[in-house]
Amino acid sequence: DADVTQTPRNRITKTGKRIMLECSQTKGHDRMYWYRQDPGLGLRLIYYSFDVKDINKGEISDGYSVSRQAQAKFSLSLESAIPNQTALYFCATSARGNEKLFFGSGTQLSVL
Amino acid sequence: QKEVEQDPGPLSVPEGAIVSLNCTYSNSAFQYFMWYRQYSRKGPELLMYTYSSGNKEDGRFTAQVDKSSKYISLFIRDSQPSDSATYLCAMRYTGNQFYFGTGTSLTVIP
Repeated sequence: DADVTQTPRNRITKTGKRIMLECSQTKGHDRMYWYRQDPGLGLRLIYYSFDVKDINKGEISDGYSVSRQAQAKFSLSLESAIPNQTALYFCATSARGNEKLFFGSGTQLSVL
Repeated sequence: QKEVEQDPGPLSVPEGAIVSLNCTYSNSAFQYFMWYRQYSRKGPELLMYTYSSGNKEDGRFTAQVDKSSKYISLFIRDSQPSDSATYLCAMRYTGNQFYFGTGTSLTVIP
């Protein structure tokens, strides 16, 4: 089944550490997104990429960076994690011309 | 003012009830409207998708869009315990990013 896979599912880290969250997809979609979800704030867009050479900042990109290694892979990095980056992170994909998002299962990140 | 407003609930109903979930929005340029269902610790999954105004029905689910009032609804008929989840509305306009509501938590009591 075509899917969006995120690793790891859970991660606990300490303030100041560098951390990478990874996303891969077998849907063949060209567009990929990173969101974070916080209680009461909903889903907020961090970065998005419409193809391998295209990277765009979202609503809350400060403190984050991304890399689109291939059409199927999009990783999110926190260069120096801080406690308010504790959240549930989702990768999502969509196809050009199809206005539907498909989400991975999420990574629960805790920064102590 | 947020682009999309959604009552967070929580909403608790008995099994078999009709559920009404709603969102309002401020940007009249939105053309695509979606409802996602999210179970605890899972990713949102697309439930309903509509373009522009009108109704769309899929089994026990009906999505309604009223662009003149900037108001969208999701109705669930004959609600089941398996419908217990958080429901997120989402919308976008052509060539731009998605905007999400904060989600409404629904519990269907057997």
